[in-house]
Amino acid sequence: DAGVIQSPRHEVTEMGQEVTLRCKPISGHDYLFWYRQTMMRGLELLIYFNNNVPIDDSGMPEDRFSAKMPNASFSTLKIQPSEPRDSAVYFCASRRPGDTDTQYFGPGTRLTVL
Amino acid sequence: GQSLEQPSEVTAVEGAIVQINCTYQTSGFYGLSWYQQHDGGAPTFLSYNALDGLEETGRFSSFLSRSDSYGYLLLQELQMKDSASYFCAVEDSSYKLIFGSGTRLLVRP
Repeated sequence: DAGVIQSPRHEVTEMGQEVTLRCKPISGHDYLFWYRQTMMRGLELLIYFNNNVPIDDSGMPEDRFSAKMPNASFSTLKIQPSEPRDSAVYFCASRRPGDTDTQYFGPGTRLTVL
Repeated sequence: GQSLEQPSEVTAVEGAIVQINCTYQTSGFYGLSWYQQHDGGAPTFLSYNALDGLEETGRFSSFLSRSDSYGYLLLQELQMKDSASYFCAVEDSSYKLIFGSGTRLLVRP
């Protein structure tokens, strides 16, 4: 089975530009999580979905960040406008129904905002 | 607030045993997980404890004491490939994972 798929793997953009990160969870998984990892702040949960519905977005840092999950196999995290402090690795993770302990992480997107 | 404390770095010799401790203070608690992350890689699940006691999975074991809000990951027969960062994570009452800041393990020959 394919794992969680994220694209792009690397993104370099200039301040003020819009950035869209994409995630395809493992088929059959009903939870999807977006995380951000930096040296300073560690691994932070931004938002998570259950059955395509956003459940908790309290970790989203600002209104510049938005996330959608239009169907069970696709989610996006958008930053508009981007700022240098958004530079980080963004991970998407998914979880099987009824499996509360294991999250499967994608390879991450390394975002650099110049 | 919610906090997890774990050492920032641990160094050990190949073939040895190392223990990485984690103490937590969270508003809800369903279980304690451990994840491994190699440099440039993604976190991967190692183990989970919902009840007190020791869980063993091959060379790795994890322990939990809910009354002490404490757990540890025990790595035996260390190998060079075990050099990585190890994160403890608490699953809170809303099924979110709250991660610790990670322990960087360096295994020396």
